[in-house]
Amino acid sequence: GAGVSQSPSNKVTEKGKDVELRCDPISGHTALYWYRQSLGQGLEFLIYFQGNSAPDKSGLPSDRFSAERTGGSVSTLTIQRTQQEDSAVYLCASSLQASNTEAFFGQGTRLTVV
Amino acid sequence: QKEVEQNSGPLSVPEGAIASLNCTYSDRGSQSFFWYRQYSGKSPELIMFIYSNGDKEDGRFTAQLNKASQYVSLLIRDSQPSDSATYLCAVGLEYGNKLVFGAGTILRVKS
Repeated sequence: GAGVSQSPSNKVTEKGKDVELRCDPISGHTALYWYRQSLGQGLEFLIYFQGNSAPDKSGLPSDRFSAERTGGSVSTLTIQRTQQEDSAVYLCASSLQASNTEAFFGQGTRLTVV
Repeated sequence: QKEVEQNSGPLSVPEGAIASLNCTYSDRGSQSFFWYRQYSGKSPELIMFIYSNGDKEDGRFTAQLNKASQYVSLLIRDSQPSDSATYLCAVGLEYGNKLVFGAGTILRVKS
């Protein structure tokens, strides 16, 4: 596609349920990032994929969070047993390579846990 | 010490003035530097990137890089109310080989 695509754009879930957020990066981009942004706050790094290398999971806030990237393309961020503090906008970004090229962001998924 | 640091602001400037946004980084081996703008409720969008020491100009925007001081800045000339947004500095770290974002500086341009 022309840009980074995220789905769903909005998700409301009940506390304790699991959710899956999807990111479809720009074709050919080898690097993919997930960030979380709470209202009025900065970007919180969650996880980073680069090609076939082991992902950098250093930003995942708890073991309820996991992500995978299948075939070096689409990525899914899974949050298990959601809590109200998980409510935020989840942003995905991709870049052609790793640190030396700009990252392009999707429009985000707004997650609300009620 | 955070990897990328920015003053959170808000930075308030009058319309028509120069807005100066600053960013410092900790990884001396960093090679790539980016400025993003984020309007409220929107995703970040790239404004400029710079790789070499010195200045890089694009319209009303100038990025300045000083690798010796580990410092990158963004100047916005003739600031407009439409420039009011959060400006994010991103640095391509040598180690870990990933982009790291600062927390952002809120800019308010008053007419």
